[in-house]
Amino acid sequence: QVQLQESGPGLVKPSHTLSLTCTVSGDSINSGNYYWSWIRQHPGKGLEWIGYIYYTGSTYYNPSLKSRITMSVDTSKNQVSLKLSSVTAADTAVYFCARVPGGDRFDCWGQGTLVTVSS
Amino acid sequence: QSALTQPASVSGSPGQSITISCTGTNSDFGGYNYVSWYQQHPGKAPKLMIYEVSNRPSGISNRFSGSKSGNTASLTISGLQAEDEADYYCSSYTNNRGVLFGGGTKLTVL
Repeated sequence: QVQLQESGPGLVKPSHTLSLTCTVSGDSINSGNYYWSWIRQHPGKGLEWIGYIYYTGSTYYNPSLKSRITMSVDTSKNQVSLKLSSVTAADTAVYFCARVPGGDRFDCWGQGTLVTVSS
Repeated sequence: QSALTQPASVSGSPGQSITISCTGTNSDFGGYNYVSWYQQHPGKAPKLMIYEVSNRPSGISNRFSGSKSGNTASLTISGLQAEDEADYYCSSYTNNRGVLFGGGTKLTVL
């Protein structure tokens, strides 16, 4: 059974870069069967899609965040990563990684990790 | 402000049926039938309940059903149970904006 686990600093200073990793177990990222995605949820608010990445490194980012996002994949570690630059308090959120069997849906999610942007 | 509009809250009694709407524009749905619904309990990750408008993933109760007419998608839950109390989100896929989510609907089982 596939499991996704997000990890990374829980506190990031304003203007710095947020860096998170999603470790996938029970499935191989380079099987090519799925895309892998990041989604965030501001405290008490709704969901916001951040972007997708394929095992080849091909990406598709949310246009509203595109200028600040970098996603990458490490197939040797079965991990996908997210970097979000120039963060502000508005980037404080729970960040989820998720598996994407088709571009339209997320069928397996990590538990999420809270990232707070504060000095 | 979310691209897809959902009612903030709905409620129903055990055994009843409720419907949650998800309204957008033609461009919000991208001309595809790529509408999904997610259930989220407090402090938990969302769970896929419906995909491609009306398909249920394996293991999801047939009490959950989805439909779409024009620019409004709907999630219907029949035979309400206490465990259905949660937040529900719709989503759609578009070519030029990626995945859009609705603002979420809080379902209260009375």
